[in-house]
Amino acid sequence: QQQVKQSPQSLIVQKGGISIINCAYENTAFDYFPWYQQFPGKGPALLIAIRPDVSEKKEGRFTISFNKSAKQFSLHIMDSQPGDSATYFCAASSENYGGSQGNLIFGKGTKLSVKP
Amino acid sequence: GAGVSQSPSNKVTEKGKDVELRCDPISGHTALYWYRQSLGQGLEFLIYFQGNSAPDKSGLPSDRFSAERTGGSVSTLTIQRTQQEDSAVYLCASSSQRGISYEQYFGPGTRLTVT
Repeated sequence: QQQVKQSPQSLIVQKGGISIINCAYENTAFDYFPWYQQFPGKGPALLIAIRPDVSEKKEGRFTISFNKSAKQFSLHIMDSQPGDSATYFCAASSENYGGSQGNLIFGKGTKLSVKP
Repeated sequence: GAGVSQSPSNKVTEKGKDVELRCDPISGHTALYWYRQSLGQGLEFLIYFQGNSAPDKSGLPSDRFSAERTGGSVSTLTIQRTQQEDSAVYLCASSSQRGISYEQYFGPGTRLTVT
């Protein structure tokens, strides 16, 4: 059972455009939703994260939108740059989910290519 | 300061052989996680350590997989009698404590290829 579904699998955007990646989750116990960025040959790095008490969080060109009732959240990258080309993973976690608090449940990833 | 390091970076082994993968977490981090990244499958949780104990082994796919942590620092993931389906990138992460309030820092991973 896949608890976090991510789409699209791949995305091509022109420089300066907006990149949008979507995720949906099933477990209502999740209360932490981070996005990770991974460059080839590197481990994932935390990009931005949101808790369900807010509907949006913005850090620079990166914004998370969160819809608790729909159990969906998305990453928006404004003014996309070639340097943003990477694989992006959404994830979900819970502070109080049995013995698995803090474990990250990841989506399958989106490979973003930003064309110059 | 130094981040999470893993060794080897690449490992090619023959089916049926045992392999050991090493993780050096960030100094002082008590929580350590192992994940597996298979092509097109995202990252899959394997095991979590708090200090030297492993209270959550729920992600280990079979009894061929085991892990230990010594001195509250270095961790070793061992895969016995490797199979081709074990081919993946194995990632280690550490955080100062367990829980959603503590960022997990990932190492670069070990790419395992079973031939």
